[in-house]
Amino acid sequence: SAVISQKPSRDICQRGTSLTIQCQVDSQVTMMFWYRQQPGQSLTLIATANQGSEATYESGFVIDKFPISRPNLTFSTLTVSNMSPEDSSIYLCSVRYGDTQYFGPGTRLTVL
Amino acid sequence: KQEVTQIPAALSVPEGENLVLNCSFTDSAIYNLQWFRQDPGKGLTSLLLIQSSQREQTSGRLNASLDKSSGRSTLYIAASQPGDSATYLCGTSYDKVIFGPGTSLSVIP
Repeated sequence: SAVISQKPSRDICQRGTSLTIQCQVDSQVTMMFWYRQQPGQSLTLIATANQGSEATYESGFVIDKFPISRPNLTFSTLTVSNMSPEDSSIYLCSVRYGDTQYFGPGTRLTVL
Repeated sequence: KQEVTQIPAALSVPEGENLVLNCSFTDSAIYNLQWFRQDPGKGLTSLLLIQSSQREQTSGRLNASLDKSSGRSTLYIAASQPGDSATYLCGTSYDKVIFGPGTSLSVIP
């Protein structure tokens, strides 16, 4: 199995600022995924991050708004830039280890 | 484009009942299907994973089935308990996991 930790667990931020979320995995993995879960909604994939290459973004998500770093096989960051109240969500990091998808505990972001 | 739906959206049952949650998907070209549990304000916990070549998987009181040809999966929970109260999500996987909207389950003591 893979154990995933995220920092911070929650934050309250002001409109127009940026927040960087960190994701650490206890095993080396090729692919890491970032999801967003808006209030009362299911999970939506933001992007897939492979080590050594640029992240691949899903439709509706752009690099300028959600820049991602993937410096090694156990770590990734997601930045939420120029935040607005609509960005208030839970952001979850995920990895595929073997055949199973594992998720971090999430970062609950509130933008005022 | 894969689309995943789940029925019902919400379910409330008395403790001890057996129940079935349904998941449907439009593209049968999947690698596997996973059922997850999410407690309020928490991350996701993987419950069962069914490979595309399998028909079902069991873990304790949980049994999940998969019918790729019809694009359906079911999660059967036997003898439900109040601790089973959570949101249950199914996700189909090929190169990435696509999630359904979830079923919110409440088990009443």
